[in-house]
Amino acid sequence: ETGVTQTPRHLVMGMTNKKSLKCEQHLGHNAMYWYKQSAKKPLELMFVYSLEERVENNSVPSRFSPECPNSSHLFLHLHTLQPEDSALYLCASSQELTRDEYNEQFFGPGTRLTVL
Amino acid sequence: KQEVTQIPAALSVPEGENLVLNCSFTDSAIYNLQWFRQDPGKGLTSLLLIQSSQREQTSGRLNASLDKSSGRSTLYIAASQPGDSATYLCAVPNDMRFGAGTRLTVKP
Repeated sequence: ETGVTQTPRHLVMGMTNKKSLKCEQHLGHNAMYWYKQSAKKPLELMFVYSLEERVENNSVPSRFSPECPNSSHLFLHLHTLQPEDSALYLCASSQELTRDEYNEQFFGPGTRLTVL
Repeated sequence: KQEVTQIPAALSVPEGENLVLNCSFTDSAIYNLQWFRQDPGKGLTSLLLIQSSQREQTSGRLNASLDKSSGRSTLYIAASQPGDSATYLCAVPNDMRFGAGTRLTVKP
């Protein structure tokens, strides 16, 4: 596996289900991100992790719960979602979280989530 | 707070045409800007990263420019092909802010 991988690629769940999205990066990066992409809207940053520490929670509802057990893996645990949470969820990584001209993000293929 | 805007939202051109996609950002204190391609239902593929110390970056038929003072970047695609049809997004990676994208259709 190379780059950033995400599983599952597609997920359909009911509002009472609990599910998890998984992201793994094979780039040796130290920062990982969750983004939400809804139709015809810009990507919305959800969470940022640097060296397994959460550094940003962008006012995301508690029904989304991130977990970063190590610098290569990132999870998004889902519980009691709403139909409006249906979207493409994208994971990304970058070498570091430092603000410099070398900061470049690499994305996974995304998980298409449908909440019924 | 950084805002990134892309105009137009959609563009349709005949094959072989040269075209320019526009990106603007409100806070000019950026370190770099990144252009991505996204195919329907897929993730983002990085095309070009322009560092603030550069004004231009080229990859094949793609050329991206950056003008920090005016808060603008352009992506130039030469001799467009149907395979170039996709949505193109620009982003300010350090601010984790993205434009909504320009959906490009290249007609054979």
